[in-house]
Amino acid sequence: GAVVSQHPSWVICKSGTSVKIECRSLDFQATTMFWYRQFPKQSLMLMATSNEGSKATYEQGVEKDKFLINHASLTLSTLTVTSAHPEDSSFYICSARDSGLAGGWGTQYFGPGTRLLVL
Amino acid sequence: AQSVTQPDIHITVSEGASLELRCNYSYGATPYLFWYVQSPGQGLQLLLKYFSGDTLVQGIKGFEAEFKRSQSSFNLRKPSVHWSDAAEYFCAVGGGTSYGKLTFGQGTILTVHP
Repeated sequence: GAVVSQHPSWVICKSGTSVKIECRSLDFQATTMFWYRQFPKQSLMLMATSNEGSKATYEQGVEKDKFLINHASLTLSTLTVTSAHPEDSSFYICSARDSGLAGGWGTQYFGPGTRLLVL
Repeated sequence: AQSVTQPDIHITVSEGASLELRCNYSYGATPYLFWYVQSPGQGLQLLLKYFSGDTLVQGIKGFEAEFKRSQSSFNLRKPSVHWSDAAEYFCAVGGGTSYGKLTFGQGTILTVHP
């Protein structure tokens, strides 16, 4: 099946710094990518939808100035956590949609996740 | 608003036993339903999905799920569990024109005893 990679897999940073996470679709083009956040022992929460060549769409309650998303190409989306604080520590997961024939829904492939720890 | 409930946080079964993981959803229109499995260090892997048609869906690794509209349920089953099935399982719902946007349940952790 299709592969989605994330880099880095682990990052530790100091409070106040910014962290960039990359999400790449390795063997298909993804016009749409999604960013999720997962807290320990909780479900995945959709943060934003990233569309190639246009602005991301953020879910209610997600600060767009804090979580900057850029989808510059059909295979790469980046999430930058700006001025990170300890409460931003979490597991961030991206997914890429391979648009198929199933009513436009296609198949969504998930990356392995990036664990962020802010000290 | 759409939502997914997985009532069981943790399930333990013996290897070779049958398995059923429960999933209930709330969605205002025809739902698209999914089951994913998450193993440590790996991305979520799609086990199966239901869009329309036959309400009994076959997936990978011997899993199946049945869509029951009257009960708003989409339970995952496997007749004989293998030790390698130990992982966390997520049910998700989406649909309509919100292509790809998924709402996930809380997840069920499956432990398999030898």
